[in-house]
Amino acid sequence: EVQLVESGGGLVKPGGSLRLSCAASGFTFSNYNMNWVRQAPGKGLEWVSSISSSSSYIYYADSVKGRFTISRDNAKNSLYLQMNSLRAEDTAVYYCARDSPTIIGVVITWGQGTLVTVSS
Amino acid sequence: DIQMTQSPSSLSASVGDRVTITCRASQGISNYLAWFQQKPGKVPKLLIYAASTSQSGVPSRFSGSGSGTDFTLTISSLQPEDVATYYCHNYNSAPRTFGQGTKVEIK
Repeated sequence: EVQLVESGGGLVKPGGSLRLSCAASGFTFSNYNMNWVRQAPGKGLEWVSSISSSSSYIYYADSVKGRFTISRDNAKNSLYLQMNSLRAEDTAVYYCARDSPTIIGVVITWGQGTLVTVSS
Repeated sequence: DIQMTQSPSSLSASVGDRVTITCRASQGISNYLAWFQQKPGKVPKLLIYAASTSQSGVPSRFSGSGSGTDFTLTISSLQPEDVATYYCHNYNSAPRTFGQGTKVEIK
């Protein structure tokens, strides 16, 4: 069974840092592009960042560019999101998400999410 | 960045009604458009990709159409289990973008 399990969320003060992790299982992690998508409480979906299977291609939303860094460790079947200079507007549930193996660019599998709260 | 604008932001319809949600891209994205359904407390579920191709297992009452900048999601006969928020999603290029969502309720 394909599983994505996020961890690392919590309460952090504005300007602080947090590192999210996503543990993948049930598929060959190194074959798939991976993503982070977030959803502020009661709000819509916002794509945050994508990383290709071999880390050759990395993309960010303008709202996080320069503050967030996506990375992966294929040997550990893990995806990461390092979040620095956090702001109140970064408060959201952060989902780890896997691209479809057949529909290039479309997320097909989601984790259950981890809540990040930025507040003093 | 390509902006995706959905309308309406919410709607209320009766069981059995035909429901249409529109999505407009700020520039052409060919058919690189997907539709997701998100029920309360759940993760999003892919309904449609390539603008009009149904994902396996999706009920046939859901259909998509459009190309370029204008797209439509249609529910041919609204069912109680369709209560959810629906998002269009541009995956033409990075940054990928979502519409703001359309909340569908039963009247």
